[in-house]
Amino acid sequence: GQQVQQSPSSLVLQEGENAELQCNFSSTATQLQWFYQSPGGSLVSLLSNPSGTKHTGRLTSTTVTKERRSSLHISSSQTTDSGTYLCARTGANTGKLTFGHGTILRVHP
Amino acid sequence: EAAVTQSPRNKVTVTGGNVTLSCRQTNSHNYMYWYRQDTGHGLRLIHYSYGAGNLQIGDVPDGYKATRTTQEDFFLLLELASPSQTSLYFCASSDMATNSDYTFGSGTRLLVI
Repeated sequence: GQQVQQSPSSLVLQEGENAELQCNFSSTATQLQWFYQSPGGSLVSLLSNPSGTKHTGRLTSTTVTKERRSSLHISSSQTTDSGTYLCARTGANTGKLTFGHGTILRVHP
Repeated sequence: EAAVTQSPRNKVTVTGGNVTLSCRQTNSHNYMYWYRQDTGHGLRLIHYSYGAGNLQIGDVPDGYKATRTTQEDFFLLLELASPSQTSLYFCASSDMATNSDYTFGSGTRLLVI
């Protein structure tokens, strides 16, 4: 089965609303990372969060390792936040990333 | 500025053709990766490398070869391209010590007709 599952598969917001994205993974991860893929296709790393809570700008990630889940909270969404958010886990002793299929976010003005 | 640069950005080839995708990183990272991205499958790992001369098999390696000639350069080779290899290909590098600090290239769109 799929090792990384994300929900929802898509999300539509009005600008200013908050978003909560979920990621569940099937085995213990040494790293749990969130990436953003722009509508043009480019990929950038947002947060690396194997456990606990991390903040950067309007993003907050909370990972509960023993429950094998992570969330990404986007506060006060902007139209420029539109794109695909990908969760990925790294297994022990390798740098290999296993990705979820992503959440497509659309933020309307 | 540290970066991962892929070339070409777009490529069209015929079935049975020979294609080489290039990737260069200036991050001083040890780890480099090749992924393909397809609708319905997400990003999948083809091959990866821990350093110059090293090659590790990923999750979808069939039909692909790879070579890491230097710490900076990682190549993906399709020696007999097939339409099933039409995809968006990403190269990435990461820091060995922390298993993080992933940087992706801009991607190569390959069409095999």
